[in-house]
Amino acid sequence: AQSVTQLDSHVSVSEGTPVLLRCNYSSSYSPSLFWYVQHPNKGLQLLLKYTSAATLVKGINGFEAEFKKSETSFHLTKPSAHMSDAAEYFCVVSEEDSNYQLIWGAGTKLIIKP
Amino acid sequence: AAGVIQSPRHLIKEKRETATLKCYPIPRHDTVYWYQQGPGQDPQFLISFYEKMQSDKGSIPDRFSAQQFSDYHSELNMSSLELGDSALYFCASSFISYNEQFFGPGTRLTVL
Repeated sequence: AQSVTQLDSHVSVSEGTPVLLRCNYSSSYSPSLFWYVQHPNKGLQLLLKYTSAATLVKGINGFEAEFKKSETSFHLTKPSAHMSDAAEYFCVVSEEDSNYQLIWGAGTKLIIKP
Repeated sequence: AAGVIQSPRHLIKEKRETATLKCYPIPRHDTVYWYQQGPGQDPQFLISFYEKMQSDKGSIPDRFSAQQFSDYHSELNMSSLELGDSALYFCASSFISYNEQFFGPGTRLTVL
């Protein structure tokens, strides 16, 4: 069975410093992994996705994530945080055998300090 | 590029009333998904349709029903509304082979 664990419910960083949002997953087969961002009172936007190609995935707004099968991790990073990055971030896994149903992590709220 | 369209964007209803939410997928997408996101929670999968047939069922209450029409748009019908139904309802669409869901802006339902 698939599951997703986002290790931090809140992450607070200063503007201009690196961002690390942690995600671990469990999956029986070859998963697809996604990061979605949700700004306050807004919809869900896909940041990036991993679908068995390159393990280092680059997304929008300077974010990237690395798929590490040995560690079952898919952590999201950004070298330098901007105030506009303040949002909720969801790590998501899906598998072909589950009809690509999305399994969501609980979300990590990213807080940017000026 | 065309995106997923949801209407209405905001809806206020009273307990025991009914509500209908509409979703218009991206052109040529054949699959529609419905999610419910309560305050401070991650989206919960409700139901999905592929080629107008129900493909998966999640935590959708019996009071809710949904269908996908011949033009691929979908409607979520909610009856006997309860206070706990207040949430953001997202629709997503995909082309089944591509395994990526594109989300609409959501409908915020408030039940008073």
